[in-house]
Amino acid sequence: DSGVTQTPKHLITATGQRVTLRCSPRSGDLSVYWYQQSLDQGLQFLIQYYNGEERAKGNILERFSAQQFPDLHSELNLSSLELGDSALYFCASSVQKRITFGSGTRLTVV
Amino acid sequence: QQQVKQSPQSLIVQKGGISIINCAYENTAFDYFPWYQQFPGKGPALLIAIRPDVSEKKEGRFTISFNKSAKQFSLHIMDSQPGDSATYFCAASLTGNQFYFGTGTSLTVIP
Repeated sequence: DSGVTQTPKHLITATGQRVTLRCSPRSGDLSVYWYQQSLDQGLQFLIQYYNGEERAKGNILERFSAQQFPDLHSELNLSSLELGDSALYFCASSVQKRITFGSGTRLTVV
Repeated sequence: QQQVKQSPQSLIVQKGGISIINCAYENTAFDYFPWYQQFPGKGPALLIAIRPDVSEKKEGRFTISFNKSAKQFSLHIMDSQPGDSATYFCAASLTGNQFYFGTGTSLTVIP
């Protein structure tokens, strides 16, 4: 157990729908990151939050949005889902230079 | 633009052999270089990391070699075992903890 909790572990939904992925960072970690990993692809950085504020943005689609709440948990919202959005979505948190990943949410869009 | 370039994309090594994965970067502001190991269906896990003021770091069978002038770093896995079969990612970090990952290397260790 890495200490980063992601829910749900699996999600199957239809095209055009909207889903929310949830992440609780390790206790004490203020930074939260979201990454997308498609089949046989590397880790695509989506967005980073630090203590509730957006810190950095990567290749995040306009259909996707995220936020970090005062209790430091984060949610990634994916809307108008397309087949190509099927992927593993990882949340990670960090303190200083140590970044720790959760076990991911596998999203399947059918 | 890929901030960290990783090679090879895949690697097959005999049990007991040495696995070597290479990464290169351009941004001299990077100040931390971790390697992550990922098994299928799992999140990447930190394996070993190095700072640029050190040329080598060893932890068990895993060694990072760092060449600051060449802006390259590599992971060496000595006495590779079938249990080491996984995908390995190099990464580099800036101040502010922005992490840039390589594209990954799929390592297969055959018995």
